Amino acid sequence: QSALTQPASVSGSPGQSITISCTGTSSDVGNYNLVSWYQHLPGKAPKLMIYEVTKRPSGVSNRFSGSKSGNTASLTISGLQAEDEADYYCCSYEGRSTLIFGGGTKVTVL
Amino acid sequence: QLQLQESGPGLVKPSETLSLTCTVSGGSITSSSFYWGWIRQPPGKGLEWIGTIYYTGTTSYNPSLKSRVSISVDTSQNQFSLRQRSVTAADTAVYYCARHNWNHFTIDYWGQGTLVTVSS
Repeated sequence: QSALTQPASVSGSPGQSITISCTGTSSDVGNYNLVSWYQHLPGKAPKLMIYEVTKRPSGVSNRFSGSKSGNTASLTISGLQAEDEADYYCCSYEGRSTLIFGGGTKVTVL
Repeated sequence: QLQLQESGPGLVKPSETLSLTCTVSGGSITSSSFYWGWIRQPPGKGLEWIGTIYYTGTTSYNPSLKSRVSISVDTSQNQFSLRQRSVTAADTAVYYCARHNWNHFTIDYWGQGTLVTVSS
């Protein structure tokens, strides 16, 4: 089980939009519309931001959106704010009741 | 409000067994559609999914850890536990317990995490 591939870091200025990619295979990301995204702040529990590729849980800002094309899923943060600075992880179902995470992306607000 | 709390030794010797327990409060561990599991994060690295258990005892594990890991449940105590055998320094990590919502294949509630260090 190899981790999904994410860029190590992405940065942007306040107000800009950034996109984080998450590349898997035809056995995980490409085979299921079951990709979720988590925001992880240091010392805190991760927080679910997107599930089933595009859906936002109640209470999550609509500045966060998700998409998928083939074996690659993406998380876009629009109108970047200082409070968005965190690590972001994608996660995909890969069958047989198992999940796989991405390596994580550190988002920096310049 | 559902809460999960990890407990267990913070230091384990190499080759020994790591044991952690997660206590669930504010909800029942026997709720349908919810599985209960563990995720870990080694220092400076990303999240790694370990496995889950349903209250009936059905388990699923990360294939790369399956030979050393077991998860059990105690419905009378509203708890579930992780045992990881033959640990090495590479198993040093923050271990999170979490609720998995298998309606959407997401992890919707997490504990705060507990650091387990493997060292002699």
